[in-house]
Amino acid sequence: GQSLEQPSEVTAVEGAIVQINCTYQTSGFYGLSWYQQHDGGAPTFLSYNGLDGLEETGRFSSFLSRSDSYGYLLLQELQMKDSASYFCAVSASGGYQKVTFGTGTKLQVIP
Amino acid sequence: SAVISQKPSRDICQRGTSLTIQCQVDSQVTMMFWYRQQPGQSLTLIATANQGSEATYESGFVIDKFPISRPNLTFSTLTVSNMSPEDSSIYLCSVEGETNEKLFFGSGTQLSVL
Repeated sequence: GQSLEQPSEVTAVEGAIVQINCTYQTSGFYGLSWYQQHDGGAPTFLSYNGLDGLEETGRFSSFLSRSDSYGYLLLQELQMKDSASYFCAVSASGGYQKVTFGTGTKLQVIP
Repeated sequence: SAVISQKPSRDICQRGTSLTIQCQVDSQVTMMFWYRQQPGQSLTLIATANQGSEATYESGFVIDKFPISRPNLTFSTLTVSNMSPEDSSIYLCSVEGETNEKLFFGSGTQLSVL
């Protein structure tokens, strides 16, 4: 099966940079993705890494090291609206690509 | 991107009854996924629904409890049967994007069982 670990909570100051780490154990790994979920809302896709390295999308970047089974999400120039839960998710084979979500990290951005 | 309409958005149900959740997608998709998210927890995959075949259930979920229909490529339903308070949760349907690298989610159904 798959397992993913993330810190449960992170607090950061508006305008700062925060990194949310994710370690995983899985077989048939395809890629690592990140989702944002505001309270009461549905998860929304942020980024995907299929290969090692850094992917940048605006203020958000995501990194993957397949050899270390590790990735992170980097949020720059934090804004109050970034306060949300962030989930890493692993895509793995199982006859079809199956997505398993991590435990989630609740980010609180403070003034 | 895919737009998913999910309903109901919330419901309060009595123990022992059943609730059917509907998801309508604005484009044809091969697979639809049903997830459960208990309060403050992560998302857990219940089953994958393919049009024209039986849904594939994950460990811990069975068809008798969570029957799924997939009558065409744009629609699916999940029924939560013989509900108990432990079924209180948010239920989400999702579909893959074109590149299979991302999932799009419906707005969710918040279910409370008394």
